[in-house]
Amino acid sequence: AQKVTQAQTEISVVEKEDVTLDCVYETRDTTYYLFWYKQPPSGELVFLIRRNSFDEQNEISGRYSWNFQKSTSSFNFTITASQVVDSAVYFCALSEGGGADGLTFGKGTHLIIQP
Amino acid sequence: NAGVTQTPKFQVLKTGQSMTLQCAQDMNHEYMSWYRQDPGMGLRLIHYSVGAGITDQGEVPNGYNVSRSTTEDFPLRLLSAAPSQTSVYFCASSYSRTGSTSGGFYEQYFGPGTRLTVT
Repeated sequence: AQKVTQAQTEISVVEKEDVTLDCVYETRDTTYYLFWYKQPPSGELVFLIRRNSFDEQNEISGRYSWNFQKSTSSFNFTITASQVVDSAVYFCALSEGGGADGLTFGKGTHLIIQP
Repeated sequence: NAGVTQTPKFQVLKTGQSMTLQCAQDMNHEYMSWYRQDPGMGLRLIHYSVGAGITDQGEVPNGYNVSRSTTEDFPLRLLSAAPSQTSVYFCASSYSRTGSTSGGFYEQYFGPGTRLTVT
């Protein structure tokens, strides 16, 4: 069965520091998709990125970057020069095969950016 | 597009009462699903649908019913509410990668959530 582990329950950093959120996944499928979602204090879930199992290229989007390593089954998320607005709960999720069975979420990492 | 909408935003029920959480999307997405979010647990899949007339169970289906008579709507029914169903409920939708439901689905877009308290 698939599983997503986010070992960091809560991280607190001072604004402008870089911070990395860890995500480790387990799956038996060779085709799968990995996601990151952001949940700000207002409660909605915001899609950040989707990565498929055949594409190990790292991705950068502004201050956000993602490191996908199949060898360690990890899909880590780094925020560079963090800002207070980055404060949120971040979820890593996994979708196997076609994705019709829905997403398996990690328990989330609560990121606190202090001014 | 309004995206994925959910009503109500908040609801308080007494144990044993029934109610329906509404979910609608205007993006013509084939795939819709319901999750519940509990503190420290992430989100867990309750039921999902790959198209009108087709539904299936997720990880935690007990105590909930769904139906999908149209592409747009996917209501979640609580048959006899229990305190263990106190949670935040999210509806999500997604579109197929190839235009058919056998081709798999892209990322899911979530509604704003319904906070349900059962006393």
